[in-house]
Amino acid sequence: AQSVTQLGSHVSVSEGALVLLRCNYSSSVPPYLFWYVQYPNQGLQLLLKYTSAATLVKGINGFEAEFKKSETSFHLTKPSAHMSDAAEYFCAVSVGGAQKLVFGQGTRLTINP
Amino acid sequence: KAGVTQTPRYLIKTRGQQVTLSCSPISGHRSVSWYQQTPGQGLQFLFEYFSETQRNKGNFPGRFSGRQFSNSRSEMNVSTLELGDSALYLCASSTSSGGRTDTQYFGPGTRLTVL
Repeated sequence: AQSVTQLGSHVSVSEGALVLLRCNYSSSVPPYLFWYVQYPNQGLQLLLKYTSAATLVKGINGFEAEFKKSETSFHLTKPSAHMSDAAEYFCAVSVGGAQKLVFGQGTRLTINP
Repeated sequence: KAGVTQTPRYLIKTRGQQVTLSCSPISGHRSVSWYQQTPGQGLQFLFEYFSETQRNKGNFPGRFSGRQFSNSRSEMNVSTLELGDSALYLCASSTSSGGRTDTQYFGPGTRLTVL
């Protein structure tokens, strides 16, 4: 069965600094991988997804993620943090064409002025 | 295109009652999935419906059920509510044309509080 581990339940960075949110997955077959963001009292918004077309995936709001099969990782990065990036971020995996996402525990990102 | 809508946005119930939550998917989307989000367990998959049939099911007790109508709208029902059912219930829709995982688009959720 597939699973996702997000390292660090809380990450704090200064405005303008690099954002790095870590995600490792476990899957016996090639996975589909997603990053979602959740703002307070809202649903989940898709940031980006990996579907095997390219290992470096660009998403919305300046975020990108790189799929590394050898490390079973799909870390999310943004070169320069903005105050509006403060939110909770979820990594998710799905396999085999199923419309079932398995989520990590989430990482709360705080941006310091 | 309008996004996924969920009604109601907030609900307060007491233990032992039952509740029905509603989800209207994005126009043209035939797959609807439901998730429960709690601080302790995080986001957990409940079930998925496609063309009025339950296609996938998570590991939840039988008190949790759902259905999908011919217009793809979906409802989920929780009977005999327990305190632990307090959660944000999220609905997501996708095209799900089959054979691959399509992007799921989420609604704003229904916040259920059980007293």
